[in-house]
Amino acid sequence: DIQMTQSPSTLSASVGDRITITCRASQSITSWLAWYQQKPGTAPKLLIYKASTLQSGVPSRFSGSGSGTEFTLTISSLQPDDSATYYCQQYSSFLYTFGQGTKLEIK
Amino acid sequence: EVQLLESGGGLVQPGGSLRLSCAASGFTFNNYALGWVRQSPGKGLEWLSSISGDGGHKYYADSVKGRFTVFRDNSKDTITLQMNSLAGDDTAIYYCAKGRDSVLGDAFDLWGQGTMVSVSS
Repeated sequence: DIQMTQSPSTLSASVGDRITITCRASQSITSWLAWYQQKPGTAPKLLIYKASTLQSGVPSRFSGSGSGTEFTLTISSLQPDDSATYYCQQYSSFLYTFGQGTKLEIK
Repeated sequence: EVQLLESGGGLVQPGGSLRLSCAASGFTFNNYALGWVRQSPGKGLEWLSSISGDGGHKYYADSVKGRFTVFRDNSKDTITLQMNSLAGDDTAIYYCAKGRDSVLGDAFDLWGQGTMVSVSS
């Protein structure tokens, strides 16, 4: 199975900061990667698919990049509403796998 | 309104069985693959199973293969997860999720609210 490793596990930043979360795959997944945002007590929400395509309705401060085995999620200017846990997911293999999550705290 | 609504969660004894259902509305059901994802208390997301739009292709995570079965009824816009031989580490919130296409191999763009399964004696 393809393993997904996210870093960091936790992140604390201030409103207006630019932050980056990294996701690494154990083998090439080309661009078959999604990013999700999950707030406590709610279901995950799709932010980005195919590594860099923004899901409809998602603010443009979110962006994704990468291919092969290394990917990043960037939030260009943090807002208070961005406090959440972020997960990457590969769907290159039909045996999907998620990263372990990155908890983002707004100072 | 486009939505997924899970049901069937509850408390079950170790070794027992449970059937989860997910009812879809607001989109052409058989045009989309669906999946099940769970989240143990305080933990991350774990993909469990996916089924193609026509129901002809199914995949399972190793952790549930042979114990869980997914099927869909395109006439009723529902997907079901039959769970057998349940153990304590199956305790989790179970989400159904909609793929972006009818074939497998795409992100999940719509999620249900989840249903809680607790396995305990």
